[in-house]
Amino acid sequence: GDSVTQMEGPVTLSEEAFLTINCTYTATGYPSLFWYVQYPGEGLQLLLKATKADDKGSNKGFEATYRKETTSFHLEKGSVQVSDSAVYFCALRGNYGGSQGNLIFGKGTKLSVKP
Amino acid sequence: GAGVSQSPRYKVAKRGQDVALRCDPISGHVSLFWYQQALGQGPEFLTYFQNEAQLDKSGLPSDRFFAERPEGSVSTLKIQRTQQEDSAVYLCASSYPTSGQETQYFGPGTRLLVL
Repeated sequence: GDSVTQMEGPVTLSEEAFLTINCTYTATGYPSLFWYVQYPGEGLQLLLKATKADDKGSNKGFEATYRKETTSFHLEKGSVQVSDSAVYFCALRGNYGGSQGNLIFGKGTKLSVKP
Repeated sequence: GAGVSQSPRYKVAKRGQDVALRCDPISGHVSLFWYQQALGQGPEFLTYFQNEAQLDKSGLPSDRFFAERPEGSVSTLKIQRTQQEDSAVYLCASSYPTSGQETQYFGPGTRLLVL
């Protein structure tokens, strides 16, 4: 079945460092791909998404490119801030017949950014 | 309302008790999803409603889990005879389907602890 694998954390970075969180997927057909973020004490929020190969999702300085050839959707940010400290989840949603749209998540990667 | 709300936010139950968790989706959202998030894991799909119809309950872990959405808005997830392995955060998400590319908006979750 469909699945998402993302790098395990925790990841600890200094402010202004470069961030990469790896995410790869296994899926039937052509899924949509997402990054969700969970700030401490808050619910899951959509960070960015991409719905087809070579699409780049971006938001708040974060970017991820849908790579079908490598089945990957790695999250990057050029300069992290303390306020980026959160748990990041990679997820997919099937876009094939019969899929009603439930998300399949990775296990999450906790990011801590130190001043 | 402004977003998806869930109640209670925290619930402590003795093993064997029944619990009921409530989800108020965003007004007008047709689709409603329940997910279970164990500690240190990503959310896992439980069940899906389109309006009042429960179209998929394949993720419910046992027949002790029951969900309903009788009027197509508020939903309740009920767990009968709770067990310690039911301890988790239960997330509700809603969306308004347009082209199948809709975003799911998550509530803050209900943290259930079974003693």
